[in-house]
Amino acid sequence: AQKITQTQPGMFVQEKEAVTLDCTYDTSDPSYGLFWYKQPSSGEMIFLIYQGSYDQQNATEGRYSLNFQKARKSANLVISASQLGDSAMYFCAMREEDDKIIFGKGTRLHILP
Amino acid sequence: SAVISQKPSRDICQRGTSLTIQCQVDSQVTMMFWYRQQPGQSLTLIATANQGSEATYESGFVIDKFPISRPNLTFSTLTVSNMSPEDSSIYLCSVRTGEYYEQYFGPGTRLTVT
Repeated sequence: AQKITQTQPGMFVQEKEAVTLDCTYDTSDPSYGLFWYKQPSSGEMIFLIYQGSYDQQNATEGRYSLNFQKARKSANLVISASQLGDSAMYFCAMREEDDKIIFGKGTRLHILP
Repeated sequence: SAVISQKPSRDICQRGTSLTIQCQVDSQVTMMFWYRQQPGQSLTLIATANQGSEATYESGFVIDKFPISRPNLTFSTLTVSNMSPEDSSIYLCSVRTGEYYEQYFGPGTRLTVT
């Protein structure tokens, strides 16, 4: 069974609008971490934001925030005021107690001018 | 964070040959990871490499096909052996560091097997 599910293979969003990228996860470990990475067309993997399973507050990092709903096992990425440079592939990832990070299939985000 | 370099950045290889990919980190790290990203796909973990011990391979990956060396805390190599066109992928190394033990990735090696 998939541990990280990203249901949106592609999204088109108008510049300056906010966008939410969905991610659900499956784990039985009490301690885990959730990550979002951005992969532009250049291919590099860029770490965006982290949420720990015990964190009480939703993580924020500049224009990125993580909408963490633990009971629903959901960790959606919200990008506010989208920019053309946000066009990229976005991966949700999870680290369980064995320290390995596994990735979802990704969502390709297109920002329209 | 960490600065990671990989060599080569890309290569085109003949079927049946082997390629060794180098990964260099600018600081000492305990764990290094090797991933494969097939065209249009997500990242799949190949193995975890700790200095001074044998690499730990994920299901579906074997040492004979993907031998890994980890001679010190800043360097690792991944060899793709007896290549076939199905091995055409981007290979990325990464290290775990930072406040959240997040992983930082090298720029990747784009391999095409003909």
